[in-house]
Amino acid sequence: QQQVKQSPQSLIVQKGGISIINCAYENTAFDYFPWYQQFPGKGPALLIAIRPDVSEKKEGRFTISFNKSAKQFSLHIMDSQPGDSATYFCAASMHQGAQKLVFGQGTRLTINP
Amino acid sequence: DVKVTQSSRYLVKRTGEKVFLECVQDMDHENMFWYRQDPGLGLRLIYFSYDVKMKEKGDIPEGYSVSREKKERFSLILESASTNQTSMYLCASSSTSGGKQFFGPGTRLTVL
Repeated sequence: QQQVKQSPQSLIVQKGGISIINCAYENTAFDYFPWYQQFPGKGPALLIAIRPDVSEKKEGRFTISFNKSAKQFSLHIMDSQPGDSATYFCAASMHQGAQKLVFGQGTRLTINP
Repeated sequence: DVKVTQSSRYLVKRTGEKVFLECVQDMDHENMFWYRQDPGLGLRLIYFSYDVKMKEKGDIPEGYSVSREKKERFSLILESASTNQTSMYLCASSSTSGGKQFFGPGTRLTVL
């Protein structure tokens, strides 16, 4: 049972454009929503994360937008660069115990120069 | 710099073999996790451990077992490897105080 659904599966954006990846979750008990970035041959690494008490979090060119009522959150990459080409995963967890993460299916992002 | 290391980057095994994947973290983290990554399916949790000798099943534990005898080491065991266990295996660790997980580079396992 997939509790976090991510779209699109792949995305091609021109350099300088805005990349947008969307996720939807089902479990209203989730209270931590991270995004991970994975380059080929590497493990995923935390990019940015948000908790549901805010609707937006920005770190440099990366922004998470969070809509609690719709149970959706998205990653926006402004001024996308070829170095941003990677696979991106959204995830969700509850702030209890080992805080297991439930991951989305992943989005392969390609930024064309 | 924090580090999670995995014993092998690539592994080729035969059907029916017993396979051990090792993971070591140097951050004194309480929690450790094993995932498998398959295209279009994302990362799926196999097993996790929140303390030495403690383990819990994740979403897809069938065909796998784990061992955690020391805090820094978490092993994934395939008792009798099958071709449908061909995948990328990722280990991660985290502390109890925060949700951030640190991942190793992964082991690409091929079962022939």
